[in-house]
Amino acid sequence: DQQVKQNSPSLSVQEGRISILNCDYTNSMFDYFLWYKKYPAEGPTFLISISSIKDKNEDGRFTVFLNKSAKHLSLHIVPSQPGDSAVYFCAARYGGSQGNLIFGKGTKLSVKP
Amino acid sequence: KAGVTQTPRYLIKTRGQQVTLSCSPISGHRSVSWYQQTPGQGLQFLFEYFSETQRNKGNFPGRFSGRQFSNSRSEMNVSTLELGDSALYLCASSSPGRKETQYFGPGTRLLVL
Repeated sequence: DQQVKQNSPSLSVQEGRISILNCDYTNSMFDYFLWYKKYPAEGPTFLISISSIKDKNEDGRFTVFLNKSAKHLSLHIVPSQPGDSAVYFCAARYGGSQGNLIFGKGTKLSVKP
Repeated sequence: KAGVTQTPRYLIKTRGQQVTLSCSPISGHRSVSWYQQTPGQGLQFLFEYFSETQRNKGNFPGRFSGRQFSNSRSEMNVSTLELGDSALYLCASSSPGRKETQYFGPGTRLLVL
């Protein structure tokens, strides 16, 4: 059973508009959530994270929102740029500071000029 | 600092063979984690090594094994390869106290024929 779900395999957005990538989780013991971006032929790169004690974290054009009651988090990219086109993975951590990461299957974002 | 490096980048093997993949973490990083990425399953955690000891293990058969050397370099081995082992194998390293932020290598693409 997948504990971290990204239900949209793909998303297409116009340049300059907002991209919203969603992620749902089932395990209430997750204490940390992360987003990674992956370009073809490269490994994932860390983008932004949020602790379970917060509901929002912002870093430039990227904002992550966490709704613990709904077990849902989202990544907002504003404004979207063609260079943001990549696969985005949501990940959740359990087991404290030494815990493992559980990844979703990813959402492929295409930003069209 | 140099990033995480993985060798080889591409590998073709036949069923029944074994394979060894190598990962060199970022200098100073002592934790190395391995993941398998397939189109249908996303990133799945294989195992984590810290100071030459396996600290965590995912839900993979015993054909998948690994080790870590005193210089933090890590290897993973897959014995008796199956067609389903075809995947991108990713290695990630993290610094002490920053386990939640992992830096990934570019991966080794393994094709089993």
